[in-house]
This record gives sequence, structure tokens and C-alpha cells, in this order.
Amino acid sequence: ETGVTQSPTHLIKTRGQQVTLRCSSQSGHNTVSWYQQALGQGPQFIFQYYREEENGRGNFPPRFSGLQFPNYSSELNVNALELDDSALYLCASSLQGAGNEKLFFGSGTQLSVL
Amino acid sequence: AQRVTQPEKLLSVFKGAPVELKCNYSYSGSPELFWYVQYSRQRLQLLLRHISRESIKGFTADLNKGETSFHLKKPFAQEEDSAMYYCAGQGGSEKLVFGKGTKLTVNP
Repeated sequence: ETGVTQSPTHLIKTRGQQVTLRCSSQSGHNTVSWYQQALGQGPQFIFQYYREEENGRGNFPPRFSGLQFPNYSSELNVNALELDDSALYLCASSLQGAGNEKLFFGSGTQLSVL
Repeated sequence: AQRVTQPEKLLSVFKGAPVELKCNYSYSGSPELFWYVQYSRQRLQLLLRHISRESIKGFTADLNKGETSFHLKKPFAQEEDSAMYYCAGQGGSEKLVFGKGTKLTVNP
């Protein structure tokens, strides 16, 4: 059983650029959630994907978008990067319909926007 | 709106002392509450959830609807309990929301 993997581990971008972060869900899981964790804060829910469709969204602007693929892997795209987008981005997978939201987290992608 | 509140950013206790990490929630109805933990250089992982009413690594947490709390407790803290602890909740159609976390340090 493979765990949740995220790539890249670290990324440096400049303001205004676009970035794509990737996540492979744990084997057997069909749902992927993305979280943003700023320094000293708890993870903040960005959105969730289930069966390749967005299945819930937090308080993030439209320049944060995502995709889920048939193999349940996922991408998080951020356009027009701002300095405040600097954070750890966490991906978590789960099994929808299992009756609970037990999330399995990846190690995260540390994004720095200069 | 803040759904889950952890009032303590830092908590320091000595080994063998009781520990209580506080969590209050503001969901209506019957939310699901969880505690997640992140040990140094490890990924965030589920510690326990209220629906299971289980004890994991000596930790327990009881949902108190009257006080809208879900405090995490352990009678005798160990050094390996040092970590970041996040309370999280889910209510209705909302997805899992995390508190800001409490850093627990257990001193020898």
C-alpha cells in the first residue's frame, strides 16, 4: 500500500507566476483534498475532488483551481501568484463513502513566492 | 467563521504529568471531531476521532456538547508525545476544518 505522495517538495516562484502542484493519492482512495498551511497556522481547506469533480471549496479565490484524474491523482494550480501564497500545501486522500473523513496526508509542497 | 478553536499555541509539561490540550467548536447539531498530530519531521496523521471513543497512545477525548469542547487528555505525558496537535471538525456538508494547533512539549 503506497501512501500519499506530493511533488515537488519545494518550489520557488516569483509574484505573478503560475504554479502546479501534484499529488498521488493513497492506493484505494477516491477523494483528494488540498490544504494550505501558512507558517504557525493550522491547515486551511482549499477544495476537495471526488470522481474528477470539485466536491467542496473553502474560502479561496478562483485563481486556485484543481483537477482530479481517473487514477485519482490530483493537481493544484495557482495563477497570478501573490506573496501571501507562500505556504506549505498539503494534499490528503480519503475514501468517500467510508462514513468518516479520515484523511491521509502527504508531506506537502513548500511554496515560496518572492 | 472559525469552527474550531485551540486557545493555547504552546503547552509545556513535565514527563509523567497530566496533559490536557483544549479544543472548542462552534458547530450546531452533531459535528464530527478529530485530533490530528504531527511529530517532528513526520506528516500530519489522525490521532483519534470522537465517534470511535477510543484511546490511542494513552490519549482520550470526550465530546462535551454542553461546553462545546473536545479536549484531548492523557494522564501521564511521555517525552515522545511532544508534537503539534490539531483539533479538527466537520459539520453538515462542510469539509474538515482545522484549528491553529497547539505545540506540546514534554520535558524530561
